Amino acid sequence: DTGVSQNPRHKITKRGQNVTFRCDPISEHNRLYWYRQTLGQGPEFLTYFQNEAQLEKSRLLSDRFSAERPKGSFSTLEIQRTEQGDSAMYLCASSLALAGQETQYFGPGTRLLVL
Amino acid sequence: GNSVTQMEGPVTLSEEAFLTINCTYTATGYPSLFWYVQYPGEGLQLLLKATKADDKGSNKGFEATYRKETTSFHLEKGSVQVSDSAVYFCALKGRAGGTSYGKLTFGQGTILTVHP
Repeated sequence: DTGVSQNPRHKITKRGQNVTFRCDPISEHNRLYWYRQTLGQGPEFLTYFQNEAQLEKSRLLSDRFSAERPKGSFSTLEIQRTEQGDSAMYLCASSLALAGQETQYFGPGTRLLVL
Repeated sequence: GNSVTQMEGPVTLSEEAFLTINCTYTATGYPSLFWYVQYPGEGLQLLLKATKADDKGSNKGFEATYRKETTSFHLEKGSVQVSDSAVYFCALKGRAGGTSYGKLTFGQGTILTVHP
């Protein structure tokens, strides 16, 4: 049984650099979510896709953030011109939304540290 | 908007003690409610869920009942083990057609430590 996978698991970068994270959802899951979790807090919603369409974006997602899900399979989250405040765990989740019933399954996350 | 409030931790218990972690929510309509657990160094795992009022979710000895009248979804376990040490998150998801449908809204998490 293959769960949600995320790469890389850890990323250290210098302020001002661009970073890109990848999420591979559970096969045949039609929805894919991105969340951000800072230390001592619960995850906060960033954006989600149904198939390849990006349906909702949080106000947390500034114009430095962009997410894609080409062909409705894997997704990438890019952060441009990183800032120290971007340091967090970035979580991906996928689900199969059918008839209003849905459970999200989370990947292990990518921990970003911006120096 | 939707919000979830969990009891503040950390919670420290001895093995075999009774556990309650309180969770209350604010939402329009009838959301689905979830408890997720995060073990050290791992991702979030779904522990249990309830999709309508008076439903009881249960898994691995943990239980939570969806109480609409008190807007609560408290997590309980009769006898905790050292292996239950983790961070527990309460979350809700809005109903289809609502403004917050799809995304999960999480509480801040409660750290549980169980000593032998």
